[in-house]
Amino acid sequence: KAGVTQTPRYLIKTRGQQVTLSCSPISGHRSVSWYQQTPGQGLQFLFEYFSETQRNKGNFPGRFSGRQFSNSRSEMNVSTLELGDSALYLCASRPRSSSGGLQTYNEQFFGPGTRLTVL
Amino acid sequence: SQQGEEDPQALSIQEGENATMNCSYKTSINNLQWYRQNSGRGLVHLILIRSNEREKHSGRLRVTLDTSKKSSSLLITASRAADTASYFCATDRYNNNDMRFGAGTRLTVKP
Repeated sequence: KAGVTQTPRYLIKTRGQQVTLSCSPISGHRSVSWYQQTPGQGLQFLFEYFSETQRNKGNFPGRFSGRQFSNSRSEMNVSTLELGDSALYLCASRPRSSSGGLQTYNEQFFGPGTRLTVL
Repeated sequence: SQQGEEDPQALSIQEGENATMNCSYKTSINNLQWYRQNSGRGLVHLILIRSNEREKHSGRLRVTLDTSKKSSSLLITASRAADTASYFCATDRYNNNDMRFGAGTRLTVKP
């Protein structure tokens, strides 16, 4: 199976602009999560989508949004970019399963990331 | 916010030595996972240990989990220069797929 792909790999924007990042999960994986990685804050969870619905959201402002399409591909949008949004944005997919009524989680498969630089 | 903290923040050893990294977390978990990241790239999954397990092995990796102390350790035996990377622990909570990562341990293995 092909791995998780993210486009573009590198992006340079200026303050105030908006940006859209794309993620294609591994075939059959319906859960897609997004993370922001910076030297200062480390890896921070942004949100998770499953079956086109946002299921979990991290502690980020409303400028960060996302969506998932019927083929499980996901996009992330950041509006009104700030210098502090410069980061590596990682997308991950994984299958979901349930056991005894509880959701159980397995390993996540990460894409290579999109390096966003805001000038 | 981050769930876990890794200790040490950085570790430098010689090839052939063992490397031990520790992780502590704050809330009850479903499972704990360890990932490796090579300089600015995506993360690679190493091993997953569920909350009802105490120890798990995978090749040169050994992971332990102590839920009473809310801590885990990752042991890499007979390290190689190729093991140089950052290592992160991450936790899943029940019915809440917002995996939380620790700050990571930067491991350097000198040839």
